[in-house]
Amino acid sequence: EAGVTQFPSHSVIEKGQTVTLRCDPISGHDNLYWYRRVMGKEIKFLLHFVKESKQDESGMPNNRFLAERTGGTYSTLKVQPAELEDSGVYFCASSQIGTSGGAYEQFFGPGTRLTVL
Amino acid sequence: AQSVSQHNHHVILSEAASLELGCNYSYGGTVNLFWYVQYPGQHLQLLLKYFSGDPLVKGIKGFEAEFIKSKFSFNLRKPSVQWSDTAEYFCAVNRNTGGFKTIFGAGTRLFVKA
Repeated sequence: EAGVTQFPSHSVIEKGQTVTLRCDPISGHDNLYWYRRVMGKEIKFLLHFVKESKQDESGMPNNRFLAERTGGTYSTLKVQPAELEDSGVYFCASSQIGTSGGAYEQFFGPGTRLTVL
Repeated sequence: AQSVSQHNHHVILSEAASLELGCNYSYGGTVNLFWYVQYPGQHLQLLLKYFSGDPLVKGIKGFEAEFIKSKFSFNLRKPSVQWSDTAEYFCAVNRNTGGFKTIFGAGTRLFVKA
């Protein structure tokens, strides 16, 4: 079974540019989460999709960040325009719904390392 | 605000030494607890988890953790570490409500000397 995949693995952009990160969850996982780790700090929750609907976006830093999940499959996270403080590793995770215990364990992708210069 | 506190940011041990990494959380109600590990160049992986039942949880690679509800703690232990345990370890918490948003600690970097 394929795990959570993320693309690209690394992205280096200049301040003011736009970047789009992609996450493909494990097939059949309705829950999809985005997290971010800024260097040296904790991994922080950004938002949560259930299928194509945003369940919780309380962690999104500001309106420069836009997440979508077309058709309840893959998700994209766009940063526009990027700022220096957006640098970090962006993780995606997915989990099942409705299975005892299964809904609690999230499977993580490898992350996208974003550097804004 | 909900938070997870890991007591040590960096730990250096010699092989065969015992390991205990502290984790405390501030979260009311019923919680689910996790330890994740990230080996150099690899994904975050689940080491072990606690949902309910026996508070002493055994995970992969000889790791275990004990949930002490009265202390809001979930410390990770291993009796004898190996060089291959060099990695970063994250304690994490979520709840059965609110979509299982997971709160992470800042991580502990463990370096095991061969």
